Amino acid sequence: DTAVSQTPKYLVTQMGNDKSIKCEQNLGHDTMYWYKQDSKKFLKIMFSYNNKELIINETVPNRFSPKSPDKAHLNLHINSLELGDSAVYFCASSPRSGAGELFFGEGSRLTVL
Amino acid sequence: GENVEQHPSTLSVQEGDSAVIKCTYSDSASNYFPWYKQELGKGPQLIIDIRSNVGEKKDQRIAVTLNKTAKHFSLHITETQPEDSAVYFCAARRQGGSEKLVFGKGTKLTVNP
Repeated sequence: DTAVSQTPKYLVTQMGNDKSIKCEQNLGHDTMYWYKQDSKKFLKIMFSYNNKELIINETVPNRFSPKSPDKAHLNLHINSLELGDSAVYFCASSPRSGAGELFFGEGSRLTVL
Repeated sequence: GENVEQHPSTLSVQEGDSAVIKCTYSDSASNYFPWYKQELGKGPQLIIDIRSNVGEKKDQRIAVTLNKTAKHFSLHITETQPEDSAVYFCAARRQGGSEKLVFGKGTKLTVNP
């Protein structure tokens, strides 16, 4: 059983399209995150949700919209995709906000052509 | 906000040698310092962490040291093995519900057999 699972693993799309990445955790954690890893491997937080409530919203274009239907799921929708959105997007969870180990999914590699 | 600097960006060692990766942080209120290992095609995984009330922590071949005064912490891997080859990230965080984990830019470690 995968603790943090995200789909799809690979996503190739054209500029201007809209796409979604889904994430689910079966660890019973309260907090979930989206991180972006660029081509230089730099990991930067985008969003954090605690019990479905948004608690961290970094300086991310509003084309990116996270949605948490329940505390086990955090999805990321991206509108009007741009070349610079190409990256690996990691979902993660932790037992509670601001504390404890982060458990990462295996990543979703988004390529915008 | 917190800023974490990590050095070196790449490190190549012979199997059996030791490897040391160093990080500095800017926020004196940070009190949690984890290290993550990211293997190719995988998400980062916690390998060891240290809190500000401890100066050193060891787990088998890996150890982390923390100097709060100088605001730097280091990862030491002894008796390196080829399977230690990966990208290693240090990170820092304050305690608190909305506090985010800030990552260094990563060190690509290669252990040559």
